[in-house]
Amino acid sequence: QKEVEQNSGPLSVPEGAIASLNCTYSDRVSQSFFWYRQYSGKSPELIMSIYSNGDKEDGRFTAQLNKASQYVSLLIRDSQPSDSATYLCAVNEGRKTSGSRLTFGEGTQLTVNP
Amino acid sequence: DGGITQSPKYLFRKEGQNVTLSCEQNLNHDAMYWYRQDPGQGLRLIYYSQIVNDFQKGDIAEGYSVSREKKESFPLTVTSAQKNPTAFYLCATSDRAEVSSRPKKLFFGSGTQLSVL
Repeated sequence: QKEVEQNSGPLSVPEGAIASLNCTYSDRVSQSFFWYRQYSGKSPELIMSIYSNGDKEDGRFTAQLNKASQYVSLLIRDSQPSDSATYLCAVNEGRKTSGSRLTFGEGTQLTVNP
Repeated sequence: DGGITQSPKYLFRKEGQNVTLSCEQNLNHDAMYWYRQDPGQGLRLIYYSQIVNDFQKGDIAEGYSVSREKKESFPLTVTSAQKNPTAFYLCATSDRAEVSSRPKKLFFGSGTQLSVL
């Protein structure tokens, strides 16, 4: 079983719609969760981090965490063509020896159609 | 200009050849990381270093080597033992995470695309 799993997509939504991206993780001790956006040929950029169960909102982005179900999601409201990218879910296990190292999922490619 | 510099942007390797990817940072971060990304895939950790003169293997260290002689530099050598080296290589840095605290934000370089001739 992969440590971090995402729907590979591609996911296609019309402009203005809500895009929903999902991620599950296998390690119950995982403490911190991140969503990165990566444009083709570029490096990832952090868009959301979440550490506690529940929702965290930042502008058009909402991250949702459910540690009991080992599930984290990202909602993008009012999707724009500029949101078209690959979204990577990443998990930090929180152990002393791991520092800030992250385990990434394979990413979900999102296309927002004008 | 602060940040992380990876060079070269594109690199070609001949069969049997070792090549070294450079990663330099002036963010004064303690921790540095090397990730590999294959097309349509996520990032996989090769090696990481939390302090000078110390480094640990990640999930796919075979065929790679690193050194951390200076805080600013963490070069990655792709050896001839790595039979499938074609990938996008990303260097990242972070402040050192303290025990029981949240992990520090990762900062990424712009990447090196390695291809085999």
